[in-house]
Amino acid sequence: DAGVIQSPRHEVTEMGQEVTLRCKPISGHNSLFWYRQTMMRGLELLIYFNNNVPIDDSGMPEDRFSAKMPNASFSTLKIQPSEPRDSAVYFCASSLGSGSSGNTIYFGEGSWLTVV
Amino acid sequence: DAKTTQPNSMESNEEEPVHLPCNHSTISGTDYIHWYRQLPSQGPEYVIHGLTSNVNNRMASLAIAEDRKSSTLILHRATLRDAAVYYCILRDRYNQGGKLIFGQGTELSVKP
Repeated sequence: DAGVIQSPRHEVTEMGQEVTLRCKPISGHNSLFWYRQTMMRGLELLIYFNNNVPIDDSGMPEDRFSAKMPNASFSTLKIQPSEPRDSAVYFCASSLGSGSSGNTIYFGEGSWLTVV
Repeated sequence: DAKTTQPNSMESNEEEPVHLPCNHSTISGTDYIHWYRQLPSQGPEYVIHGLTSNVNNRMASLAIAEDRKSSTLILHRATLRDAAVYYCILRDRYNQGGKLIFGQGTELSVKP
C-alpha cells in the first residue's frame, strides 16, 4: 500500500502567488482530511470530505483557502493569494468510513510551504 | 468538544517502560480514547484506541481508568525511535464524524 501521497513535498513561493497542494488518499478510503501544522497553533483541521462531499469546512481560515475533491482518488487545497502567515506544513489524511470512531486515520508526509 | 490534558514533555531511558498520562474528566459515554504520535518531520500515526477496557497491540498498551476520566499509554520498552509527540484525543462516535481534533500533546524524549 502506497499510503497517502502528497505533492509537492516542499514549496517556496512569493507572497501573492497561488499555491495548489495535492493529495491522493489511500485507495478505497472514503474520508479525506486536510490539516495544517504550525509551531504556534499546532495541528488544525481545515476541512474534511466524506464520499467526495465537504462535510465540515469550519476550520478553513478565510476565503483565500479553498479545497476540492473532484473524485475519490484526488483532492486539492488551494491558497490564492498566498501570504507569509500561510507558511506551515499541510497534511492530508484519509480513512475508511466516517461515523465509526474506531477507524484509523492515515496521514501523508506533509507539504512544507514557505511563503516569502 | 471534550478536552484532554497531557504533560507538555516527558523523558525516558532507552529500554525502560514509559507511562504517558492523559486526563479527560469531561469525557462522554460515546467518546473513544485515541492515541496518535508524530515522529520528527513526519505526519501523525495511529498508536492505539479504546473505549472502556484496557487494550494491547504490537506498539503499546492503553490503560483506561474505571471512571474513564483518565488513561495511560504504556510503551513497554522505549527505543530511540519512540521519541515523538504523543497525542491523546477523544473522538465522539456520533457528533464529529471521523475527524480528529489534536491538542498540544506530550513530547517524549528517550535517552540512550
